[in-house]
Amino acid sequence: GQQLNQSPQSMFIQEGEDVSMNCTSSSIFNTWLWYKQDPGEGPVLLIALYKAGELTSNGRLTAQFGITRKDSFLNISASIPSDVGIYFCAGQSSNTGKLIFGQGTTLQVKP
Amino acid sequence: EPEVTQTPSHQVTQMGQEVILRCVPISNHLYFYWYRQILGQKVEFLVSFYNNEISEKSEIFDDQFSVERPDGSNFTLKIRSTKLEDSAMYFCASTLLWNQPQHFGDGTRLSIL
Repeated sequence: GQQLNQSPQSMFIQEGEDVSMNCTSSSIFNTWLWYKQDPGEGPVLLIALYKAGELTSNGRLTAQFGITRKDSFLNISASIPSDVGIYFCAGQSSNTGKLIFGQGTTLQVKP
Repeated sequence: EPEVTQTPSHQVTQMGQEVILRCVPISNHLYFYWYRQILGQKVEFLVSFYNNEISEKSEIFDDQFSVERPDGSNFTLKIRSTKLEDSAMYFCASTLLWNQPQHFGDGTRLSIL
């Protein structure tokens, strides 16, 4: 079945540093999504990407939909303590809306 | 901002018992989903539901699972005879159109003893 490989698995950075994480797949996706999950809560949408090559920003977050439609990256600039959490990429290709999730990147920020 | 709500937040059930997890999707949404997340693992798709029927289901969603939209607001997931490996967080999600981002609830933690 379809799988997404997300890396890195975890990151421990200093406040103020920039962060980059990415997802790759052997399958093509029509939509890429990036979610953040805080402990005990459900995933919260950060950025949605709909077109190959699309580069989208949301505040300090920037994400790109790869030209091949098989990859995406998320950058966080000038990290702050509240950026701590688990970040998931998700791909959508089915016309039922089914999401395939990556394994997640756990981000820890040291003040 | 409208949100997806799930109840209960935590459900403890004896193995072999039936359990029903409840969700109230965002009111004008048409597509509904259940996902599960085993502790420390990724979120996995279970089932999608549209126009009062299942539109897609995963291999996890076997005969022990069923979904229902009994009225205009609730969307339920039933597990008929729970197993230890059903212990996980179960998330409900909804969206207006299938190709729009899904909004997730905060989940129900299901613990099977």
